[in-house]
Amino acid sequence: GDSVTQMEGPVTLSEEAFLTINCTYTATGYPSLFWYVQYPGEGLQLLLKATKADDKGSNKGFEATYRKETTSFHLEKGSVQVSDSAVYFCALSERGVQGAQKLVFGQGTRLTINP
Amino acid sequence: NAGVTQTPKFQVLKTGQSMTLQCAQDMNHNSMYWYRQDPGMGLRLIYYSASEGTTDKGEVPNGYNVSRLNKREFSLRLESAAPSQTSVYFCASRAPASYEQYFGPGTRLTVT
Repeated sequence: GDSVTQMEGPVTLSEEAFLTINCTYTATGYPSLFWYVQYPGEGLQLLLKATKADDKGSNKGFEATYRKETTSFHLEKGSVQVSDSAVYFCALSERGVQGAQKLVFGQGTRLTINP
Repeated sequence: NAGVTQTPKFQVLKTGQSMTLQCAQDMNHNSMYWYRQDPGMGLRLIYYSASEGTTDKGEVPNGYNVSRLNKREFSLRLESAAPSQTSVYFCASRAPASYEQYFGPGTRLTVT
């Protein structure tokens, strides 16, 4: 079945550092790709998405590009802030019954930003 | 507009006890989902419901049952809890033709 692999965490950076969190996937067909973020004590929120090859998703200074040739969707941010401390999940969508979207998640990467 | 709500927030069960986790959404979404989150494993889909009256198994359905009571509510039942079901459970919903799933705040369940 489809799967998503993220870089091992935790990741600790200083404020204003450059961030990359790697994500690769295995899928049949061409799924949509997502990054979700989970702040402490909360549920997940969609951070950004890309629905086809070469699409770039962006939000809140974060970016990720859908690379079909390398089956990757790496998350980047040029200058991180303390408020970016959270757990980040890469995910892809599979089609379920009656067209329902089923998400397959990576294991999550915990990011801590120190002031 | 409360979004996706889950009850309870925390629960401790003994092995063999049963309980139902409740989930409701007020966004008129068709699809609803139950996930479990375990350390180092991300979120895994337990069951989902594409629309009112339908439910289907996800990746890890064993030991669980679900009910899509109406369009708003989707409950998850553990008939005989086991320590392996200790986890954080998230409910989510999605509007038709939307890419985004909206998640509830989670239920932290411990089975001793």
